[in-house]
Amino acid sequence: AQSVTQLGSHVSVSEGALVLLRCNYSSSVPPYLFWYVQYPNQGLQLLLKYTTGATLVKGINGFEAEFKKSETSFHLTKPSAHMSDAAEYFCAVILSGGYNKLIFGAGTRLAVHP
Amino acid sequence: EPEVTQTPSHQVTQMGQEVILRCVPISNHLYFYWYRQILGQKVEFLVSFYNNEISEKSEIFDDQFSVERPDGSNFTLKIRSTKLEDSAMYFCASRRDKQGGQPQHFGDGTRLSIL
Repeated sequence: AQSVTQLGSHVSVSEGALVLLRCNYSSSVPPYLFWYVQYPNQGLQLLLKYTTGATLVKGINGFEAEFKKSETSFHLTKPSAHMSDAAEYFCAVILSGGYNKLIFGAGTRLAVHP
Repeated sequence: EPEVTQTPSHQVTQMGQEVILRCVPISNHLYFYWYRQILGQKVEFLVSFYNNEISEKSEIFDDQFSVERPDGSNFTLKIRSTKLEDSAMYFCASRRDKQGGQPQHFGDGTRLSIL
């Protein structure tokens, strides 16, 4: 069965510091991988996705993530945190084919302090 | 940019009552989903819907739940007799097609509070 593990339910960084949010997955077949962001009282907004091809993918708001098959990881990074990045971040996977339900990790709440 | 819209944003209902949550998916999308997020927990898949029928459902989606696409634009989730544990944020999502890696687009959710 597929699962997604996000290490660290809460991450706190200073403004301007590196952001690193960790995601590991388990899947018997190569998955499609996604990061979504949820701002307070809003829905889930797609940050970026990995399907095939280049393993380093760039998303919106300066975020990027690298798919590492050997480590079954898809960690999200941003070189310099901004106050507006404070939100909850969800890693999710989809099996290729089928009707493609998303399986989410538990989420990581990112706090950015001055 | 086209959006998925959900109404109402907040619904308060007495236990045992029926509730209908409404969604308008993006117009050219063909695959529709409901998810829920109980406060403090992860987002969980409820059901997927394609070609006017359920394509997959989770064990959460029992006989108390149903979905419908009554016309060309709306997609609804009905809970027939609500329980306290149905209190959650419910998200609707849609997807253009099932080509590999097509993302799902989410609405802002309906917060359902059962009293």
